[in-house]
Amino acid sequence: DTAVSQTPKYLVTQMGNDKSIKCEQNLGHDTMYWYKQDSKKFLKIMFSYNNKELIINETVPNRFSPKSPDKAHLNLHINSLELGDSAVYFCASSSRGMGNYGYTFGSGTRLTVV
Amino acid sequence: AQSVTQPDIHITVSEGASLELRCNYSYGATPYLFWYVQSPGQGLQLLLKYFSGDTLVQGIKGFEAEFKRSQSSFNLRKPSVHWSDAAEYFCAVTPGGATNKLIFGTGTLLAVQP
Repeated sequence: DTAVSQTPKYLVTQMGNDKSIKCEQNLGHDTMYWYKQDSKKFLKIMFSYNNKELIINETVPNRFSPKSPDKAHLNLHINSLELGDSAVYFCASSSRGMGNYGYTFGSGTRLTVV
Repeated sequence: AQSVTQPDIHITVSEGASLELRCNYSYGATPYLFWYVQSPGQGLQLLLKYFSGDTLVQGIKGFEAEFKRSQSSFNLRKPSVHWSDAAEYFCAVTPGGATNKLIFGTGTLLAVQP
């Protein structure tokens, strides 16, 4: 199926650990994003890559490091996890070149830091 | 800076009743406008989008939205709500362009009474 897929769907880990979330899209889109949804359901952009180039980097702690090995993949690595990092992280993709500015979202990764 | 306001945090309607969810945006030009729906524990699904042209846009699941430039609004409507419509609804805006950053409102939680 064509989609944006994220793994894992759930992630429970202890404070101080390092973890990664993976994202892949097979829609042929050229831009990928990471969004964070907090406990109040507010969605805020963290990063965006266009053809492996970082184009958006919001005020995110540098413990968060995105990596895009190719335009179909955007992974998120988090170092030294803190309680406040608990949230749902959504990956998304879009294709500006086709004039379609809509995003397609993955199903999310629920990160719980204990 | 662009912003999106959803004035209603929580709305309850009876099944079969009509629905209108409000959305106001702040942006100098006409942005690209979207409505997304998030069912409990799920990702975000695009309901409809407005780029240009006809100001009344039709979406999936029987939803429609009307863009009103004079009111900077993009309200979502449905003539008859079904119990399965209970979910969180997000209005979003992007100016497009180089970053295509999607900015979300705070969401409206819809409850449907039998």
